[in-house]
Amino acid sequence: SSELTQDPAVSVALGQTVRITCQGDSLRSYYASWYQQKPGQAPVLVIDGKNNRPSGIPDRFSGSSSGNTASLTITGAQAGDEADYYCSSRDSSGDHLVFGGGTKLTVL
Amino acid sequence: QVQLQESGPGLVKPSGTLSLTCGVSGDSISSSNWWSWVRQPPGKGLELIGQIYHSIYDSGRTKYNPSLESRVTISVDESKNQFSLKLKSVTAADTAMYYCAREPTKSDAFDIWGQGTMVTVSS
Repeated sequence: SSELTQDPAVSVALGQTVRITCQGDSLRSYYASWYQQKPGQAPVLVIDGKNNRPSGIPDRFSGSSSGNTASLTITGAQAGDEADYYCSSRDSSGDHLVFGGGTKLTVL
Repeated sequence: QVQLQESGPGLVKPSGTLSLTCGVSGDSISSSNWWSWVRQPPGKGLELIGQIYHSIYDSGRTKYNPSLESRVTISVDESKNQFSLKLKSVTAADTAMYYCAREPTKSDAFDIWGQGTMVTVSS
């Protein structure tokens, strides 16, 4: 099992706001990064380890953290945001990067 | 524009060795990045296999997933600006999409990914 825990599935109504969370003890010490993966495609970085958006990522995507939980918030979800989302951070040793199990986002 | 491209056999026999290469364009393999391999079994999540850092001062520092470390080797070919993955003693559990990716040093984020290559372990 992963050291980073994500809800397997989350749904949001079109245009509404959704928060996808990632829990793990290492998140008290390290930032999380977030990836969007659509079917048949490679993952795409949407939020980096400092809660910044890479160039080309819409500003409706934002990252935050508190305690052992990191969050990806999508404000005004669009149909094109439907995808799997993965968090990543350091493991408990701090030596290795690990991924969460992923969250499937459905936009209703 | 930085691009990564995986290449290698799509079918490997059980107990054999999986060998993949990632060609890097638009960046130098000797720049301040951890060059990485990530895999994804069908219908499952992402798993970091390992990483390599290569510079003119520090050649070939590697970090491997502890669960795979005994079977994995990642290396760099500076002359071809590429890095490679070897995974030995493969089983059906190693069937997956294999991605190469770039992690800028101290970023803890994979900012560039290859398109991925599917590898099936089967006789």
